[in-house]
Amino acid sequence: QKEVEQDPGPLSVPEGAIVSLNCTYSNSAFQYFMWYRQYSRKGPELLMYTYSSGNKEDGRFTAQVDKSSKYISLFIRDSQPSDSATYLCAMRSYGQNFVFGPGTRLSVLP
Amino acid sequence: DGGITQSPKYLFRKEGQNVTLSCEQNLNHDAMYWYRQDPGQGLRLIYYSQIVNDFQKGDIAEGYSVSREKKESFPLTVTSAQKNPTAFYLCASSQEPDRGGFQETQYFGPGTRLLVL
Repeated sequence: QKEVEQDPGPLSVPEGAIVSLNCTYSNSAFQYFMWYRQYSRKGPELLMYTYSSGNKEDGRFTAQVDKSSKYISLFIRDSQPSDSATYLCAMRSYGQNFVFGPGTRLSVLP
Repeated sequence: DGGITQSPKYLFRKEGQNVTLSCEQNLNHDAMYWYRQDPGQGLRLIYYSQIVNDFQKGDIAEGYSVSREKKESFPLTVTSAQKNPTAFYLCASSQEPDRGGFQETQYFGPGTRLLVL
């Protein structure tokens, strides 16, 4: 079993849809959780960061962490074609290296 | 502007040749990382360094070497021993969290695409 699992997609949605992206993990010691957006042939850019459990909202983006289920989510409201990218989840425990999911490729169709 | 720069954007390697990828950061971060990204496989850690003059192997270090002589710089050499070097290489940096849960994340450079001739 991989330490972090993520559906690779591709996921295609119409413009304006609510998108749900998810990762599951096996290491209960993870406490820092991140979502990155990566456009084709570019470096990943940080979208959301959450420490421990709970929700965090930033504009159209909401990150959720459920440590009891070892499950994190990223919701995108009113999705736009410019949101078309690969979304990577990442997590770590204190003092340890980052562990990344393989990424979900999202296409938002106009 | 604070950030991470990588050069070159594209790099071509001939058989038996060593090539060096540059990574520089002005974020004053202690830790720096090199990842390799292949289609559908996500990011795999090659080497990391948490302090100047010290570095550790990651999951796929064979065929690669690094140095960390300055805090700002962490170059990666892809040696001739790396038989399948074609990939997208990403450099990243981070600052270690303190015990209070200080917000700490990893920031990436724009990447270098390495191709074999």
